[in-house]
Amino acid sequence: ILNVEQSPQSLHVQEGDSTNFTCSFPSSNFYALHWYRWETAKSPEALFVMTLNGDEKKKGRISATLNTKEGYSYLYIKGSQPEDSATYLCAFPENSGYALNFGKGTSLLVTP
Amino acid sequence: DSGVTQTPKHLITATGQRVTLRCSPRSGDLSVYWYQQSLDQGLQFLIQYYNGEERAKGNILERFSAQQFPDLHSELNLSSLELGDSALYFCASSVTGGHEKLFFGSGTQLSVL
Repeated sequence: ILNVEQSPQSLHVQEGDSTNFTCSFPSSNFYALHWYRWETAKSPEALFVMTLNGDEKKKGRISATLNTKEGYSYLYIKGSQPEDSATYLCAFPENSGYALNFGKGTSLLVTP
Repeated sequence: DSGVTQTPKHLITATGQRVTLRCSPRSGDLSVYWYQQSLDQGLQFLIQYYNGEERAKGNILERFSAQQFPDLHSELNLSSLELGDSALYFCASSVTGGHEKLFFGSGTQLSVL
Protein backbone atom coordinates (compact mmCIF):
# COMPACT_ATOMS: atom_id res chain seq x y z
CA ILE A 1 0.00 0.00 0.00
CA LEU A 2 1.39 3.36 -1.01
CA ASN A 3 1.56 6.01 1.69
CA VAL A 4 -0.25 9.28 1.27
CA GLU A 5 0.71 11.77 3.96
CA GLN A 6 -1.23 14.91 4.79
CA SER A 7 -0.23 17.84 6.93
CA PRO A 8 -1.15 19.43 9.16
CA GLN A 9 -3.45 16.96 10.87
CA SER A 10 -5.73 19.80 11.97
CA LEU A 11 -5.99 23.52 11.54
CA HIS A 12 -8.03 26.24 13.24
CA VAL A 13 -8.30 29.59 11.47
CA GLN A 14 -10.40 32.70 11.74
CA GLU A 15 -12.98 33.67 9.17
CA GLY A 16 -11.29 35.56 6.36
CA ASP A 17 -7.90 33.89 6.80
CA SER A 18 -6.32 32.11 3.87
CA THR A 19 -4.87 28.70 4.49
CA ASN A 20 -3.21 25.78 2.78
CA PHE A 21 -2.60 22.08 3.35
CA THR A 22 -0.10 19.64 1.95
CA CYS A 23 -0.46 16.17 0.50
CA SER A 24 2.69 14.09 -0.08
CA PHE A 25 2.71 10.99 -2.23
CA PRO A 26 5.26 8.69 -3.88
CA SER A 27 6.69 10.49 -6.89
CA SER A 28 7.32 7.33 -8.90
CA ASN A 29 4.60 5.85 -11.11
CA PHE A 30 2.26 8.81 -10.82
CA TYR A 31 -1.25 8.39 -12.19
CA ALA A 32 -3.47 10.98 -10.55
CA LEU A 33 -4.05 12.90 -7.35
CA HIS A 34 -7.53 13.47 -5.91
CA TRP A 35 -8.79 16.01 -3.37
CA TYR A 36 -12.05 15.49 -1.47
CA ARG A 37 -13.93 17.51 1.13
CA TRP A 38 -15.69 15.63 3.91
CA GLU A 39 -18.12 17.55 6.08
CA THR A 40 -19.30 16.13 9.37
CA ALA A 41 -22.29 13.78 9.03
CA LYS A 42 -22.00 13.84 5.24
CA SER A 43 -20.07 11.78 2.70
CA PRO A 44 -16.83 12.75 0.95
CA GLU A 45 -17.30 15.05 -2.01
CA ALA A 46 -14.80 15.34 -4.85
CA LEU A 47 -13.05 18.66 -5.34
CA PHE A 48 -10.37 17.96 -7.93
CA VAL A 49 -8.67 15.20 -9.88
CA MET A 50 -5.23 16.25 -11.07
CA THR A 51 -3.20 14.28 -13.57
CA LEU A 52 -0.46 16.50 -15.01
CA ASN A 53 2.67 17.91 -13.38
CA GLY A 54 2.18 21.62 -12.84
CA ASP A 55 -1.59 21.22 -12.98
CA GLU A 56 -3.60 23.90 -11.21
CA LYS A 57 -7.30 23.55 -10.47
CA LYS A 58 -9.70 26.10 -9.04
CA LYS A 59 -13.24 25.93 -7.68
CA GLY A 60 -14.45 29.17 -6.19
CA ARG A 61 -12.13 30.10 -3.33
CA ILE A 62 -10.42 26.70 -3.33
CA SER A 63 -7.49 25.89 -5.57
CA ALA A 64 -4.89 23.14 -5.81
CA THR A 65 -1.47 22.71 -7.36
CA LEU A 66 0.44 19.58 -8.24
CA ASN A 67 4.15 18.73 -8.37
CA THR A 68 4.54 15.13 -9.50
CA LYS A 69 8.35 15.25 -9.68
CA GLU A 70 8.72 16.00 -5.99
CA GLY A 71 5.52 14.23 -4.94
CA TYR A 72 3.33 16.89 -3.36
CA SER A 73 0.12 18.80 -3.87
CA TYR A 74 -1.10 21.92 -2.10
CA LEU A 75 -4.72 22.82 -1.45
CA TYR A 76 -5.38 26.51 -0.86
CA ILE A 77 -8.47 28.16 0.58
CA LYS A 78 -8.68 31.91 0.13
CA GLY A 79 -10.71 33.93 2.64
CA SER A 80 -11.89 30.93 4.70
CA GLN A 81 -15.55 30.85 5.73
CA PRO A 82 -17.20 28.82 8.50
CA GLU A 83 -18.83 26.64 5.84
CA ASP A 84 -15.34 25.57 4.73
CA SER A 85 -15.00 23.66 8.01
CA ALA A 86 -14.48 20.05 7.00
CA THR A 87 -11.85 17.36 6.65
CA TYR A 88 -9.91 17.62 3.41
CA LEU A 89 -8.66 14.33 2.02
CA CYS A 90 -6.19 13.61 -0.70
CA ALA A 91 -6.02 10.26 -2.45
CA PHE A 92 -3.60 8.52 -4.76
CA PRO A 93 -4.19 5.47 -6.99
CA GLU A 94 -2.15 2.45 -6.08
CA ASN A 95 -0.02 0.92 -8.79
CA SER A 96 -1.52 1.05 -12.26
CA GLY A 97 -4.97 0.36 -10.96
CA TYR A 98 -7.58 2.84 -9.95
CA ALA A 99 -8.11 1.93 -6.30
CA LEU A 100 -7.58 5.13 -4.34
CA ASN A 101 -5.49 5.20 -1.19
CA PHE A 102 -6.71 8.03 0.99
CA GLY A 103 -4.67 10.07 3.42
CA LYS A 104 -6.00 10.63 6.92
CA GLY A 105 -6.94 14.17 6.04
CA THR A 106 -6.53 17.68 7.37
CA SER A 107 -9.35 18.76 9.66
CA LEU A 108 -10.12 22.46 9.16
CA LEU A 109 -12.15 24.53 11.60
CA VAL A 110 -13.05 28.08 10.62
CA THR A 111 -14.51 30.22 13.37
CA PRO A 112 -16.32 33.54 12.89
CA ASP B 1 -27.18 14.22 -3.09
CA SER B 2 -24.46 12.30 -4.97
CA GLY B 3 -26.90 9.93 -6.66
CA VAL B 4 -25.32 6.90 -4.99
CA THR B 5 -27.76 5.04 -2.76
CA GLN B 6 -26.69 2.86 0.12
CA THR B 7 -28.94 0.75 2.32
CA PRO B 8 -29.39 0.32 5.16
CA LYS B 9 -28.12 3.53 6.80
CA HIS B 10 -27.63 1.82 10.13
CA LEU B 11 -27.18 -1.81 11.06
CA ILE B 12 -26.81 -3.30 14.51
CA THR B 13 -25.96 -6.95 14.83
CA ALA B 14 -24.15 -9.46 17.02
CA THR B 15 -20.78 -11.11 16.73
CA GLY B 16 -20.74 -14.15 14.50
CA GLN B 17 -23.60 -12.91 12.34
CA ARG B 18 -23.65 -12.16 8.61
CA VAL B 19 -24.93 -8.96 7.01
CA THR B 20 -25.34 -7.61 3.49
CA LEU B 21 -24.81 -3.98 2.54
CA ARG B 22 -26.30 -2.74 -0.69
CA CYS B 23 -25.22 0.00 -3.07
CA SER B 24 -26.83 1.45 -6.18
CA PRO B 25 -24.43 3.57 -8.23
CA ARG B 26 -25.26 6.83 -9.98
CA SER B 27 -27.15 6.37 -13.19
CA GLY B 28 -24.62 5.67 -15.94
CA ASP B 29 -21.73 4.80 -13.65
CA LEU B 30 -20.20 1.40 -14.36
CA SER B 31 -17.71 1.16 -11.51
CA VAL B 32 -18.40 0.64 -7.83
CA TYR B 33 -15.96 0.88 -4.94
CA TRP B 34 -16.28 -0.15 -1.30
CA TYR B 35 -14.44 1.62 1.51
CA GLN B 36 -14.30 1.11 5.25
CA GLN B 37 -13.91 3.96 7.74
CA SER B 38 -13.18 2.86 11.28
CA LEU B 39 -12.06 4.81 14.35
CA ASP B 40 -8.58 6.32 13.97
CA GLN B 41 -8.28 4.95 10.45
CA GLY B 42 -8.62 6.77 7.17
CA LEU B 43 -10.81 5.51 4.39
CA GLN B 44 -9.56 1.99 3.69
CA PHE B 45 -10.12 0.63 0.20
CA LEU B 46 -11.78 -2.78 0.15
CA ILE B 47 -12.69 -3.67 -3.43
CA GLN B 48 -13.62 -2.24 -6.83
CA TYR B 49 -15.89 -3.59 -9.56
CA TYR B 50 -16.28 -2.48 -13.13
CA ASN B 51 -19.28 -3.59 -15.16
CA GLY B 52 -19.71 -6.73 -13.10
CA GLU B 53 -16.05 -7.73 -12.94
CA GLU B 54 -13.66 -7.34 -10.04
CA ARG B 55 -11.03 -4.76 -10.98
CA ALA B 56 -8.99 -4.14 -7.83
CA LYS B 57 -8.77 -5.60 -4.37
CA GLY B 58 -7.52 -3.90 -1.24
CA ASN B 59 -7.35 -4.94 2.38
CA ILE B 60 -10.53 -6.96 2.25
CA LEU B 61 -10.78 -9.75 4.79
CA GLU B 62 -11.55 -13.29 3.64
CA ARG B 63 -14.73 -13.10 5.72
CA PHE B 64 -15.89 -10.30 3.44
CA SER B 65 -17.05 -10.71 -0.14
CA ALA B 66 -18.69 -8.53 -2.72
CA GLN B 67 -20.23 -8.66 -6.13
CA GLN B 68 -21.66 -6.37 -8.77
CA PHE B 69 -24.82 -7.52 -10.48
CA PRO B 70 -25.92 -7.09 -14.13
CA ASP B 71 -28.03 -4.07 -13.16
CA LEU B 72 -24.76 -2.62 -11.72
CA HIS B 73 -25.85 -2.51 -8.12
CA SER B 74 -23.36 -4.02 -5.69
CA GLU B 75 -23.53 -5.90 -2.43
CA LEU B 76 -20.90 -6.26 0.27
CA ASN B 77 -21.31 -9.36 2.41
CA LEU B 78 -19.70 -9.44 5.82
CA SER B 79 -19.74 -12.75 7.68
CA SER B 80 -18.57 -14.13 11.03
CA LEU B 81 -18.69 -10.58 12.28
CA GLU B 82 -16.32 -9.43 14.98
CA LEU B 83 -16.41 -6.36 17.21
CA GLY B 84 -13.61 -4.84 15.16
CA ASP B 85 -15.76 -4.87 12.04
CA SER B 86 -17.83 -2.04 13.48
CA ALA B 87 -17.28 0.82 11.06
CA LEU B 88 -18.80 3.12 8.50
CA TYR B 89 -18.88 1.42 5.12
CA PHE B 90 -19.00 3.64 2.07
CA CYS B 91 -19.84 2.79 -1.47
CA ALA B 92 -18.68 5.07 -4.26
CA SER B 93 -19.17 5.01 -8.00
CA SER B 94 -17.59 6.48 -11.10
CA VAL B 95 -18.30 6.40 -14.79
CA THR B 96 -15.47 4.24 -16.11
CA GLY B 97 -13.45 3.33 -13.07
CA GLY B 98 -10.52 5.33 -14.39
CA HIS B 99 -8.77 8.38 -12.98
CA GLU B 100 -11.92 10.37 -12.37
CA LYS B 101 -13.94 11.68 -9.45
CA LEU B 102 -15.64 9.21 -7.16
CA PHE B 103 -19.17 9.91 -5.97
CA PHE B 104 -19.83 8.59 -2.47
CA GLY B 105 -23.01 7.30 -0.94
CA SER B 106 -24.06 8.32 2.55
CA GLY B 107 -22.63 5.16 4.06
CA THR B 108 -23.84 2.29 6.22
CA GLN B 109 -22.95 2.50 9.90
CA LEU B 110 -22.38 -1.05 11.14
CA SER B 111 -22.31 -1.74 14.85
CA VAL B 112 -21.33 -5.23 15.97
CA LEU B 113 -22.24 -5.89 19.61
